[in-house]
Amino acid sequence: ETGVTQSPTHLIKTRGQQVTLRCSSQSGHNTVSWYQQALGQGPQFIFQYYREEENGRGNFPPRFSGLQFPNYSSELNVNALELDDSALYLCASSLGGRETGELFFGEGSRLTVL
Amino acid sequence: QQQVKQSPQSLIVQKGGISIINCAYENTAFDYFPWYQQFPGKGPALLIAIRPDVSEKKEGRFTISFNKSAKQFSLHIMDSQPGDSATYFCAAFSPGGTSYGKLTFGQGTILTVHP
Repeated sequence: ETGVTQSPTHLIKTRGQQVTLRCSSQSGHNTVSWYQQALGQGPQFIFQYYREEENGRGNFPPRFSGLQFPNYSSELNVNALELDDSALYLCASSLGGRETGELFFGEGSRLTVL
Repeated sequence: QQQVKQSPQSLIVQKGGISIINCAYENTAFDYFPWYQQFPGKGPALLIAIRPDVSEKKEGRFTISFNKSAKQFSLHIMDSQPGDSATYFCAAFSPGGTSYGKLTFGQGTILTVHP
């Protein structure tokens, strides 16, 4: 059973640029959620994908968008990067959209915006 | 209210001691309460979790105590070890709508266990 894998692990962008982060869900999991973790804070829910559709979003602007593919892997895209977007972006996979809170996290992608 | 409040922010204990971290919530729609352990540079790892129909759950040295009427829950780490030094997050899971659910995290507790 493979765990959640994310790429890249670290990246540096400048303000105004765009970034794409990738996530492969744990084997057998059909739901992917994305969380943003600022330094010294708990993770904040960005959105969730289930059956290739976004089915829930937290308090994040539309420049945060995503995709889920038929193999349940997912991408997080952030446009027009701002300095405050610097954070650890975590992908979590689970089985089912709302039936369980048992989420398994990847190690994250550390984004630095200069 | 979607907040989960966690205390203390940091905690220092001696090897062999008991570490206790507390969390409180407001939203009665929360129906699953996990604790995550996070080491520097790593993602959160699910440690132990409880549902509100149970008052206590124990797994090895880790115990969750849950008080539904007070809307509080806590993590107890018995016989704390230096390897337990990490950041601990409580969380609460709620249905965010008709088809999805999300975790709301506390602010985290940095635990340091001195040898």
